[in-house]
Amino acid sequence: QVQLQESGPGLVKPSGTLSLTCAVSGGSISSGNWWTWVRQPPGKGLEWIGEISHSGSTNYKSSLKSRVTISIDKSKNQFSLELSSVTAADTAVYYCARFTGGNNAFDIWGQGTMVTVSS
Amino acid sequence: DIQLTQSPSFLSASVGDRVTISCRASLGIDSYLAWYQQKPGKAPKLLIYAASTLQSGVPSRFSGSGSGTEFTLTISSLQPEDFATYYCQQLNSYSYTFGQGTKLEIK
Repeated sequence: QVQLQESGPGLVKPSGTLSLTCAVSGGSISSGNWWTWVRQPPGKGLEWIGEISHSGSTNYKSSLKSRVTISIDKSKNQFSLELSSVTAADTAVYYCARFTGGNNAFDIWGQGTMVTVSS
Repeated sequence: DIQLTQSPSFLSASVGDRVTISCRASLGIDSYLAWYQQKPGKAPKLLIYAASTLQSGVPSRFSGSGSGTEFTLTISSLQPEDFATYYCQQLNSYSYTFGQGTKLEIK
């Protein structure tokens, strides 16, 4: 059973860089799926941030593209998110998820990690 | 980006009721639509994919229908554990947008 677990600082200063990692267990990150990041500001809806394939191809939400980098580390079976120049508007729960092409949906999610942008 | 509009945004219902949630896309998305359930403090859970296919392990009282721009999620007989927020998501094109959510509350 594949499981995902986010980790990273819960507090980031304005203008700084948010860095999170998603560890994949119970399966290989090279299994052919895409791996995604989604965020949810407090009390609000879900927003897709971007995705990375097992081969390292990436796609990002257009409005975040200039600030987002998603990378993959196959040796550690994990993938990561970096979001630069953060503001209070980036405060949210950040989720990693698996995008299964066969189902064409996000079928496995991490528990989420809250990141607050504040000085 | 394709916009998804859910209706209603809030729904009050009783155990045993049949409820329907709608999701309208601003452009046609074929059947590239998924439905998720989210409970407070928890990650979303996949219920339906490809508009009408039930995810493994999801109770059969949940069903989805539609294609193109109009979609529905139906719960045939509400159970206490179904009170949650429901989101639709399009996976036809980037940026894989979500609807604004429908909060289902106990009447």
